[in-house]
Amino acid sequence: NAGVTQTPKFQVLKTGQSMTLQCAQDMNHEYMSWYRQDPGMGLRLIHYSVGAGITDQGEVPNGYNVSRSTTEDFPLRLLSAAPSQTSVYFCASMGNTEAFFGQGTRLTVV
Amino acid sequence: AQRVTQPEKLLSVFKGAPVELKCNYSYSGSPELFWYVQYSRQRLQLLLRHISRESIKGFTADLNKGETSFHLKKPFAQEEDSAMYYCALSTNDYKLSFGAGTTVTVRA
Repeated sequence: NAGVTQTPKFQVLKTGQSMTLQCAQDMNHEYMSWYRQDPGMGLRLIHYSVGAGITDQGEVPNGYNVSRSTTEDFPLRLLSAAPSQTSVYFCASMGNTEAFFGQGTRLTVV
Repeated sequence: AQRVTQPEKLLSVFKGAPVELKCNYSYSGSPELFWYVQYSRQRLQLLLRHISRESIKGFTADLNKGETSFHLKKPFAQEEDSAMYYCALSTNDYKLSFGAGTTVTVRA
């Protein structure tokens, strides 16, 4: 099983550019989420979804968009990248007993 | 709203010494507590959860509802325990709230 697959691993963007971080899971989990990891701040929830067609905001949603058209996929879109969005992004899929994480995307906005 | 506090950003211990990572939480309901670990160049993974009451890789953690704590302990640290450790709290709606994390370095 692949678990949670997240792409790309690394990305450099210019301020104002847009991009989509891809996340796919093959465990048939209903709940998926996106976090950003910043030094000294831990992981902060950006957006989450409790099933196909249902999304909601987390702790730090500004500047990000999500959609959930299928159970498997949960892409995260940066609408107009800003230097403050330089971070490591993790996608997670929640089973009954634990969360499974993607390998992370290190994003730098210059 | 829930909150998870890990007071130590960095923890350095010698190999064979005991290690304890502190975690305190605030939540009005009945939380589910976890410890996640991230080894160098690996993805975040579950270390243990309070419900299972297991010992994983020699680590244990006891939920103390009176002190609202879920400290992680290991009696004899090993070099392979060097990693970033996150305490996390889950509420009824599956949302996970994480602490700021503690970087553990085990020196030979």
